[in-house]
Amino acid sequence: SQQGEEDPQALSIQEGENATMNCSYKTSINNLQWYRQNSGRGLVHLILIRSNEREKHSGRLRVTLDTSKKSSSLLITASRAADTASYFCATASNNAGNMLTFGGGTRLMVKP
Amino acid sequence: DTAVSQTPKYLVTQMGNDKSIKCEQNLGHDTMYWYKQDSKKFLKIMFSYNNKELIINETVPNRFSPKSPDKAHLNLHINSLELGDSAVYFCASSQVSLHNEQFFGPGTRLTVL
Repeated sequence: SQQGEEDPQALSIQEGENATMNCSYKTSINNLQWYRQNSGRGLVHLILIRSNEREKHSGRLRVTLDTSKKSSSLLITASRAADTASYFCATASNNAGNMLTFGGGTRLMVKP
Repeated sequence: DTAVSQTPKYLVTQMGNDKSIKCEQNLGHDTMYWYKQDSKKFLKIMFSYNNKELIINETVPNRFSPKSPDKAHLNLHINSLELGDSAVYFCASSQVSLHNEQFFGPGTRLTVL
C-alpha cells in the first residue's frame, strides 16, 4: 500500500452538506498537504498543516492532523457543486528530500 | 501570466519513438518536479530537481531523463516509448523554503500506440 491513502475513494453528497475525507500515511512527516484536481486539470494546493499542528482552517476547509495515528482529515463545509473534484493528500518527509508522496485521492461529487 | 506551463497538452505517438515534454515556471521557484498520473489517478513523483541536486525516484526507468537548461525550465525526455508510458505527466515547482507548497502545470496527456 502507498504512503498517503485516502478514504473513501469516492464520495457523493448533496449541495449544502459537509464532506469529510481521510488520509493515512506510514512514515514520519514534516507536513501534510491537501490538493484539489478538477477533471482534466492540474492539482491546486488547498492547505498545508505542519507536523506540530493539530488543526487548521481556510475558508470552508478544515484540516486535522493526528501524528500518533498517522492520519489527517479534510472537511469541506456547506459544499457547492463547484467543489466537485478529486482531492489528494500529500506528505513531505525529511527522508524524501523535497518530494511529496501523494495518495490515491478521493473523488467528490456534489450534486446540485 | 501562467505560473507553470507545459507543452504539448496532448501527445500521441508510436511505440519506440523518443519524445520530449517541456515545462516552464515563472514563479522564481528553486525546485521543479515531474509526476506521472496513471489511469486510476494515482500520482507518482518521478524527479525532483534544483540547481544543485537531481533526485530520482528509483522506480523510474532510465528511459526517462529530465533536462534543465536553466532554473525556470525542466523538460522531460523519454526514449523508446512503451505502451505503459501512456499517462498524464505533470510538471510542478516549489520554493523549498516555503514548506514545499507545489504549483502544478496543466498536464500533458501522453498516448503511446
